[in-house]
Amino acid sequence: DAKTTQPTSMDCAEGRAANLPCNHSTISGNEYVYWYRQIHSQGPQYIIHGLKNNETNEMASLIITEDRKSSTLILPHATLRDTAVYYCIVRTYRDDKIIFGKGTRLHILP
Amino acid sequence: EAEVAQSPRYKITEKSQAVAFWCDPISGHATLYWYRQILGQGPELLVQFQDESVVDDSQLPKDRFSAERLKGVDSTLKIQPAELGDSAMYLCASSQRQGANEQYFGPGTRLTVT
Repeated sequence: DAKTTQPTSMDCAEGRAANLPCNHSTISGNEYVYWYRQIHSQGPQYIIHGLKNNETNEMASLIITEDRKSSTLILPHATLRDTAVYYCIVRTYRDDKIIFGKGTRLHILP
Repeated sequence: EAEVAQSPRYKITEKSQAVAFWCDPISGHATLYWYRQILGQGPELLVQFQDESVVDDSQLPKDRFSAERLKGVDSTLKIQPAELGDSAMYLCASSQRQGANEQYFGPGTRLTVT
């Protein structure tokens, strides 16, 4: 079973920041938080991952709370192409298996 | 940019028939994965290869599903006989090594069993 809880769906206006929450209250000390997204009719795409520090790359930022029980993926300036299902995943660095939940369906509104 | 290739993209077959899917991972990627994704759910791992060896096939229905990666490069997933409940998206992914940060996914094969 997935170790994370995410809202089923969210809306965000185009050009605004999209903030996607994820709860992982049972996360272990050696487990990372990963985010993938899946645009309709495509395979999942890696976005970002982190352990305890906030992370940023060209796609998004990841904010992890100090107790590591929750995190937020931030898409700073959402576009229509960001409409997708976003998956929050917890796994160890050496653990190959990705256990996907149902994710959050993000709708970017024009 | 290198991509994982899959074919066919779409397949319609009748129940009890055999069906096969092909995957060509990113060049140099030692680890290859097959996932199944039922509509409305996240992908579920079916089988994982490290080079030509199966590392994990605990979720593969072995009475009807088989997978091979004979030369440690491309891979084939077969279903025989297909059942109505096998209708799903079949995704292939690869990574440079076990435990690597990123798995790179192909576009998938959409299977419909009638």
